[in-house]
Amino acid sequence: KAGVTQTPRYLIKTRGQQVTLSCSPISGHRSVSWYQQTPGQGLQFLFEYFSETQRNKGNFPGRFSGRQFSNSRSEMNVSTLELGDSALYLCASSLGGAGVYNEQFFGPGTRLTVL
Amino acid sequence: AQKITQTQPGMFVQEKEAVTLDCTYDTSDQSYGLFWYKQPSSGEMIFLIYQGSYDEQNATEGRYSLNFQKARKSANLVISASQLGDSAMYFCAMREYLSGNTGKLIFGQGTTLQVKP
Repeated sequence: KAGVTQTPRYLIKTRGQQVTLSCSPISGHRSVSWYQQTPGQGLQFLFEYFSETQRNKGNFPGRFSGRQFSNSRSEMNVSTLELGDSALYLCASSLGGAGVYNEQFFGPGTRLTVL
Repeated sequence: AQKITQTQPGMFVQEKEAVTLDCTYDTSDQSYGLFWYKQPSSGEMIFLIYQGSYDEQNATEGRYSLNFQKARKSANLVISASQLGDSAMYFCAMREYLSGNTGKLIFGQGTTLQVKP
């Protein structure tokens, strides 16, 4: 079974630009969550999509948005990039069922550098 | 508010020895799950072990075991017989049932483990 894939793996942008990151979950998984990882703030939850609907959202500005397609693939968009958006962006997929277990499988991440 | 605290920024352990990575958590929910992940330098998060708040026995997965002390709100990871490949960042994370069926994990700041030959 193929794992979670993220594209691109590396990205360099300049301030003010926008960027779109993509995540393909494990086949059969309906939930995709996004996290931002920085040295200063650690791992922070961005949002989760389940069956094309945003189910939960972290504490990030509106410049961060996402969507999920009918095949469960998800995209994350950051508009008007700032230097502080430089981070490793991780996506995780899960079946999305009830209960706290609901193991999440992470992708390799997209490393975004904003110059 | 839910919070995970890992007080050891960095740890060293000799190869083949056991090591304990500390994790304390704060939650007002009675139903929650605790997870440990390993993150090698490549960046990918690897799931290690899970403990549910209602599980009476400590979870074990191969060389990994979780020392769960509910009254103290601690969920320490024990790695037995350390190997060089265990060198990585380790994260403790929590999901609350109040969050419903969501994929929101709250992570600690992580502990960098270095295994010495």
